[in-house]
Amino acid sequence: EIVMTQSPATLSVSPGERATLSCRASQSVSRNLAWYQQKPGQAPRLLIYGSSTRVTDIPARFSGSGSGTEFTLTISSLQSEDFAVYYCQQYNNRPPWTFGQGTKVEIK
Amino acid sequence: DVQLVESGGGLVQPGGSLRVSCTVSGFTFRTYWMSWVRQAPGKGLEWVANIKQDGSEKFYVDSVKGRFTISRDNAKNSLYLQMSSLTAEDTAVYYCAREENYDSWSGPSRYLDYWGQGTLVTVSS
Repeated sequence: EIVMTQSPATLSVSPGERATLSCRASQSVSRNLAWYQQKPGQAPRLLIYGSSTRVTDIPARFSGSGSGTEFTLTISSLQSEDFAVYYCQQYNNRPPWTFGQGTKVEIK
Repeated sequence: DVQLVESGGGLVQPGGSLRVSCTVSGFTFRTYWMSWVRQAPGKGLEWVANIKQDGSEKFYVDSVKGRFTISRDNAKNSLYLQMSSLTAEDTAVYYCAREENYDSWSGPSRYLDYWGQGTLVTVSS
C-alpha cells in the first residue's frame, strides 16, 4: 500500500496570503494524484487531478504541481471560502487508492 | 446534473450486518467504475472498495476484506456495500464516488470526481 503523508497538519494563513500544502508518497505515483477540499458537514470536492489539471469551475488561484513522490497544492490568495481541510489522494496503477491525512487551512 | 444519493445507514450492533446503497442519476452508470470511501468521525478519508463497470473486478482495502462486499445493479443505477462482522472501527460516514477515466502520463487512469453526501453508519451496543 502506498502511504501518503501531508504537511503541515494545520496551516494558519491570513486572507489574501498564499498557502502552500505538501503531499509526499511512499513510492512513485507518477502524476496520478488528486486534491480535494472538504468543508464541515460536506462531501469532499475534487479540485485537481493528474497532479496539475484543475477541474472546471475551480478558481485559478488553486494550482497543483509535482510528480513521482512530491506534490504541492498552492492557493495563491486565500479567500474566506477556502478555509477548509485539503486531502491528497493517489490513484496510481491498481487499488488500494490512498489518501493523505489532510491539511487544515485555518484563519490566522 | 450528476447526482449520487446514499441511503441505508444507521445504528447496528457490533458483529452485525448492514447494507448501504447509492443511487445515481445524470450519467450513464454502467460505463463507470464506482468506489466507496468512508470517514470516521473527526478523521480523514479512507478508500474502502471499488467495482468495475460490469462487476467483474472488485478491490478492497485490507481492513474490510472478507467482511464487506461491493456490488452493483446497472439496471437500477445502484451501487451497494454489504457490511458484516461490523466493529466500532467501522463507524463512519460512507460516501459513494464515481471514478472518471482519462489518459494520464502513465496510461489510462481514474480519479474520483463526483461524490454523494454520505450516509452515517454507527456500530455500537
